[in-house]
Amino acid sequence: KNQVEQSPQSLIILEGKNCTLQCNYTVSPFSNLRWYKQDTGRGPVSLTIMTFSENTKSNGRYTATLDADTKQSSLHITASQLSDSASYICVVSAFGGGADGLTFGKGTHLIIQP
Amino acid sequence: EPEVTQTPSHQVTQMGQEVILRCVPISNHLYFYWYRQILGQKVEFLVSFYNNEISEKSEIFDDQFSVERPDGSNFTLKIRSTKLEDSAMYFCASSQRGGRQETQYFGPGTRLLVL
Repeated sequence: KNQVEQSPQSLIILEGKNCTLQCNYTVSPFSNLRWYKQDTGRGPVSLTIMTFSENTKSNGRYTATLDADTKQSSLHITASQLSDSASYICVVSAFGGGADGLTFGKGTHLIIQP
Repeated sequence: EPEVTQTPSHQVTQMGQEVILRCVPISNHLYFYWYRQILGQKVEFLVSFYNNEISEKSEIFDDQFSVERPDGSNFTLKIRSTKLEDSAMYFCASSQRGGRQETQYFGPGTRLLVL
């Protein structure tokens, strides 16, 4: 069964610090991996998407990496801001369609403290 | 920037009642989706919709659920006879094209509480 595991479950850091969130997946056949940011009470917003051949993708202060061999991804946030407080969700897509071709992780709840 | 909108933002209903959740996708998008997120759990796919037909549905999307695009702008999710376990945040999403690499734009969600 396709699964996405994220760690840590929650994280508290001081404003201005960097942090890295982890995503491990067992999804096959792999199509792409996406990181979403979900503010409290809002819908998820796509930050990055990476396919099999991409190792890294940046979006401003967000940098995602992908190791398709070990089936791991990370999201690195540089110089955190208060507005980065949110849940970050890793979503992995499989080829072939089907309702379970899109697997969501439970998310990492990030809190930035002033 | 265009956004997906959803109404109502919150809905409280009695068990066994019917509810209709409404969504207005981004105007030039052709693919529509419903997801749900039970409190503290991960987001779960319910159904995708294209060309006035269901494209895919999960095992969660049983006979008590239905979707409809009653006009050119609205996309609705109906739950016929709500159960306590239907309490969740329901997200609508839309995309311009289908396929796994297409970005889906999510609405703010409707929080449904079944008593």
